[in-house]
Amino acid sequence: DAGVIQSPRHEVTEMGQEVTLRCKPISGHDYLFWYRQTMMRGLELLIYFNNNVPIDDSGMPEDRFSAKMPNASFSTLKIQPSEPRDSAVYFCASSSGTEDRTDTQYFGPGTRLTVL
Amino acid sequence: GENVEQHPSTLSVQEGDSAVIKCTYSDSASNYFPWYKQELGKRPQLIIDIRSNVGEKKDQRIAVTLNKTAKHFSLHITETQPEDSAVYFCAALGDSSYKLIFGSGTRLLVRP
Repeated sequence: DAGVIQSPRHEVTEMGQEVTLRCKPISGHDYLFWYRQTMMRGLELLIYFNNNVPIDDSGMPEDRFSAKMPNASFSTLKIQPSEPRDSAVYFCASSSGTEDRTDTQYFGPGTRLTVL
Repeated sequence: GENVEQHPSTLSVQEGDSAVIKCTYSDSASNYFPWYKQELGKRPQLIIDIRSNVGEKKDQRIAVTLNKTAKHFSLHITETQPEDSAVYFCAALGDSSYKLIFGSGTRLLVRP
């Protein structure tokens, strides 16, 4: 298995532009997570999906952020309009889902976003 | 909600020495505590985890201990090697969701 796949790996854009980050989870995994990592705030969960349905989006910073999962093998995180404070590394992770919720979350390589 | 505090923020040890990283959590209902290692520019990767019904777990040179009464858990690395140099994150999972709350990270440097 190729693991969690994210694209692009690096994105540089100007303030006000729309940014779309993409993720392909590990095949067969029912849970997908979007995280943001910054020096100031550390690693924080933005949103997670179960079977393509958003379960908890309480970490989404504001209305400029939106996430979708149209099918089991693809998810997007969109920022519109982007701002310099959105600069961060965005990780996607997936897990298989177990009854006691202790299954491993596997992280993708991340997308390093820079908003000028 | 759950809050996880991690100490120290940086740790420098001599190769061969032991390293200990400590975390405390606030939600007494938390039942799962993974530890992730993140090398520079790479993704976080799970190195060990512990469930609330276990007090200690060991995997070769790394071990994790859990004290549910005090709500703290620790990572122990013995016989440290330069390749152990990385940032280590602890995390806690709440009782009713898949939401992992991460500590702020510990940057471990192992000096050759």
